[in-house]
Order: sequence, then C-alpha cells, then structure tokens
Amino acid sequence: DGGITQSPKYLFRKEGQNVTLSCEQNLNHDAMYWYRQDPGQGLRLIYYSQIVNDFQKGDIAEGYSVSREKKESFPLTVTSAQKNPTAFYLCASSMPWEGTEAFFGQGTRLTVV
Amino acid sequence: DAKTTQPTSMDCAEGRAANLPCNHSTISGNEYVYWYRQIHSQGPQYIIHGLKNNETNEMASLIITEDRKSSTLILPHATLRDTAVYYCIVRVATSYGKLTFGQGTILTVHP
Repeated sequence: DGGITQSPKYLFRKEGQNVTLSCEQNLNHDAMYWYRQDPGQGLRLIYYSQIVNDFQKGDIAEGYSVSREKKESFPLTVTSAQKNPTAFYLCASSMPWEGTEAFFGQGTRLTVV
Repeated sequence: DAKTTQPTSMDCAEGRAANLPCNHSTISGNEYVYWYRQIHSQGPQYIIHGLKNNETNEMASLIITEDRKSSTLILPHATLRDTAVYYCIVRVATSYGKLTFGQGTILTVHP
C-alpha cells in the first residue's frame, strides 16, 4: 500500500538528548513536510523540502534539524536546543503541482521527561 | 495565505447532512480552498479542495460562493465516524503542501 510511515508512534526521551523521528513515503512525492501539533492547537510547519538535498525552514524551525538525502525519506531531529519538545509530530508529502493535496502520516507523539 | 474563520464547534445527528461553514473574505484569485479533518491522535485526512467551482467526491461536497469569500463543506449523511476536527485552509497554488492550520471546527455527530 502506498502511504507515509512515521515511526515510532510513541517516543520518550530524557531532557537534553537529541532524538530523530523517522518519515518514509512510497508515494513518489517530491515534496515533504514536518509539522508540530500541541494539545488543542492546529498544526505548525517546522521544515519542508521540495526536492532531494534541499530544504527550507518553516514557521518554527528553531531547535530542529532535517536532512533529505533520499526522495523517500525526510528525518527530523529534535535537538536539545528545542525548549519545549513534547508534542505530536506529523510528516506530510505532496507533489509540487498547482492545486495538489498533501497526505499525512499517523504521527509520532514525543514526550521529553 | 488568506486567514479563515470557522465556528469552534458544531453538532449533527447521525444520518443527517453536516454543513460546515468557513469564511475567507480576504482570499486571492490564485488561492485554493482545502478541507482536512483530524480524528483524535491521528494525522489529518484530506477531504476535498476547490478553486472557484463547486466540487464533489466520495466523501463530501464543497460549495464556494460566487465571490469566493466563504465556503461550506457538506457531509451528506454524517456517521459517528465523522466526529473529528475539520480544518478549512486557504492556500496559494504554488505553496503545495505548506498548509496553515487554524483551530478548526470540532464536529460531533450524535446517535
């Protein structure tokens, strides 16, 4: 089945540790995105990539880093510089066409203790 | 991207049509209207989108007013599984998957 896979679904880390969230897609989409969602809030864009080896900061990139070495993969690293990392993280992908829709993974819930 | 305004919450009886309004009075000519929904603790699900004309798919219908300043998402026969947060998003065509989410409308479908 085609889709976006995020792993793991739940992740726990100690404060001060970096953690990498996985996002893989087999939809052959060029563009990929990372969003963050806090309780009761809408999604906010962290980083996005429209092509391999290229990515741009979104609205809340501070404390996060990404890489795009393969078309299928767009991992997100939550660094120790992120002041409030506990959140629900969502990955999405789309084609770079006008009027296209984005498809989302099922998310990773990160808890930092 | 244009700002949208949606009611905070709505109720609907199972089997009836759910009509979810969205105001986007500052929409530009090259901005699409998108609808997504999110069931608790899951990723958002794409529903439908349109530019000027009304659109229909297997999930819903999208009615856009002639001046494009507002739209309505219609779920023709709501079921309990349609209970979710519904997001109306207006986005420039070239922004692809970059979506600006507001608070959305919490739709509760009652038996």
